[in-house]
Amino acid sequence: DVKVTQSSRYLVKRTGEKVFLECVQDMDHENMFWYRQDPGLGLRLIYFSYDVKMKEKGDIPEGYSVSREKKERFSLILESASTNQTSMYLCATLTGTNYGYTFGSGTRLTVV
Amino acid sequence: GQNIDQPTEMTATEGAIVQINCTYQTSGFNGLFWYQQHAGEAPTFLSYNVLDGLEEKGRFSSFLSRSKGYSYLLLKELQMKDSASYLCAVRDGRTDSWGKLQFGAGTQVVVTP
Repeated sequence: DVKVTQSSRYLVKRTGEKVFLECVQDMDHENMFWYRQDPGLGLRLIYFSYDVKMKEKGDIPEGYSVSREKKERFSLILESASTNQTSMYLCATLTGTNYGYTFGSGTRLTVV
Repeated sequence: GQNIDQPTEMTATEGAIVQINCTYQTSGFNGLFWYQQHAGEAPTFLSYNVLDGLEEKGRFSSFLSRSKGYSYLLLKELQMKDSASYLCAVRDGRTDSWGKLQFGAGTQVVVTP
């Protein structure tokens, strides 16, 4: 089975801090995605990457950046955390045509 | 882009059947997915439809009509463990989309004894 690991389940950070959310996958998949999930809004795409050092903006990239230095690792960076970035963050890999995504377990980030 | 609509919440009794509808408007379509998400957990894959018709997988079935931009997920013989959020997602079919999915807001299904 594909395993997608997010390093933290829960994080509390202060406004203005730089925050790194890490995602690691073990199946050599090329396409990786970062979403945030908020009640009533569903999952919204922040950034995605289709290869090492390649990245594309999703629907809500403002306030975020990403890094993909190695194929297995895709990091989401909050340059200066704000309270409106309090959310559940989900990383996913494209697992196959008929399966769509495999998700990590999520990181619930609270910015105070 | 995509616009995906599904009901916010549905309640049903254990042993009953529930049908969750999903409508979408899309500029490119290459498949529709249903995911199940229990509270505090990651979404997990349930079903995939790319051609019109019904796909059955045990107690769960999913239907797609591409001409109507419509899908439903049918849950039969409901069990308490089926209480979860069900997410409808459409895959963008354009060549530069890299397989990304657009999600609806999810339907919370509550199963009562």
